[in-house]
Amino acid sequence: GESVGLHLPTLSVQEGDNSIINCAYSNSASDYFIWYKQESGKGPQFIIDIRSNMDKRQGQRVTVLLNKTVKHLSLQIAATQPGDSAVYFCAENSGGSNYKLTFGKGTLLTVNP
Amino acid sequence: GAGVSQSPRYKVAKRGQDVALRCDPISGHVSLFWYQQALGQGPEFLTYFQNEAQLDKSGLPSDRFFAERPEGSVSTLKIQRTQQEDSAVYLCASAVEGGDREKLFFGSGTQLSVL
Repeated sequence: GESVGLHLPTLSVQEGDNSIINCAYSNSASDYFIWYKQESGKGPQFIIDIRSNMDKRQGQRVTVLLNKTVKHLSLQIAATQPGDSAVYFCAENSGGSNYKLTFGKGTLLTVNP
Repeated sequence: GAGVSQSPRYKVAKRGQDVALRCDPISGHVSLFWYQQALGQGPEFLTYFQNEAQLDKSGLPSDRFFAERPEGSVSTLKIQRTQQEDSAVYLCASAVEGGDREKLFFGSGTQLSVL
């Protein structure tokens, strides 16, 4: 569902469940993607990245999947914990610039104990 | 800790006032970025420094916005004649190397409210 106050897509899960957060990116020339976690009152925190020559990358409890055909990125969080509650942003690095990131709108993840 | 430090944490300004926002990057980090984050939105790029050189200021919304990093460490984002639409969180980020897709370390931001 959507949070009217924040206008953010929201995802609510039970503690211990797996979470999947989706992101559609806009620029087919983008070749580097990052997922960030942002807790209330803090700046974005790097979670995991992936380059366009890969379609899957795994970290600790997190997996990023990239589907270039449909310009879709997803973040999977295994065994979600209350500390995972935050807003999650995908960001893309477009061709022509190797430093400027374009962020998506974000998804609010709420983990219920 | 040794993270990116921003001050003030909160700033309330009357419309028309000038404000200055400070960023202390992680020591030794070459790259420094400013992003603007409106409520409920993702951060948007404002400007980029490599050491003291401002290499990209294409994201600055108007000529009322000015950023500097004179000695290649601390940076200041100045907004002149603030308007209500300037209300946002201003995030600073730094990275070790210049010109590469390094992991960015963000500060907690300065929340600017223009009344």
